[in-house]
Amino acid sequence: GENVEQHPSTLSVQEGDSAVIKCTYSDSASNYFPWYKQELGKGPQLIIDIRSNVGEKKDQRIAVTLNKTAKHFSLHITETQPEDSAVYFCAASSPTGNQFYFGTGTSLTVIP
Amino acid sequence: DSGVTQTPKHLITATGQRVTLRCSPRSGDLSVYWYQQSLDQGLQFLIQYYNGEERAKGNILERFSAQQFPDLHSELNLSSLELGDSALYFCASSDTGWNTEAFFGQGTRLTVV
Repeated sequence: GENVEQHPSTLSVQEGDSAVIKCTYSDSASNYFPWYKQELGKGPQLIIDIRSNVGEKKDQRIAVTLNKTAKHFSLHITETQPEDSAVYFCAASSPTGNQFYFGTGTSLTVIP
Repeated sequence: DSGVTQTPKHLITATGQRVTLRCSPRSGDLSVYWYQQSLDQGLQFLIQYYNGEERAKGNILERFSAQQFPDLHSELNLSSLELGDSALYFCASSDTGWNTEAFFGQGTRLTVV
């Protein structure tokens, strides 16, 4: 099955700096890649997603890039704020499109 | 609020017991997924239902079963519970269940003692 690797596992940045989280996937048939933010005690919240026919997508301070050839995708958060502190998960859809394989998560801390 | 409702929020039970976790999907969503989240395993896909029928199965133990009812709510049944089953169990829903956004509930924290 699909294998999703995520790096780094922890990330600390100063408020206002940028944060980048990277993921790789193994199955070239995967074509949908969501990113989730999970705050303590809450369920994962979809923050942005990208499909394989698009190379980049942006939503305010958050952007995701996808390189299909290299099979990797990244989350970019600019002008980080303390409320961005959370665990972020990348995911890739299965080839059949009906389940997600998640990365192991990145714990982001934004230092005020 | 994602619109996905899970009950109960917390559950403490003894080894060997059986519990049922309940999930109500977002209005209009036909597909329900169940995931298990533990510290050392991350988010693991268990099973997916679409409009009452099982569509995909992941690493779900034989002691676990699920179903989706005609009103589209779903239940995850865990039996012969072991200490290692302690985890957060999440339900997610999506409209078609195929390469589309999935929205997660707040989860049920199961503690087996």
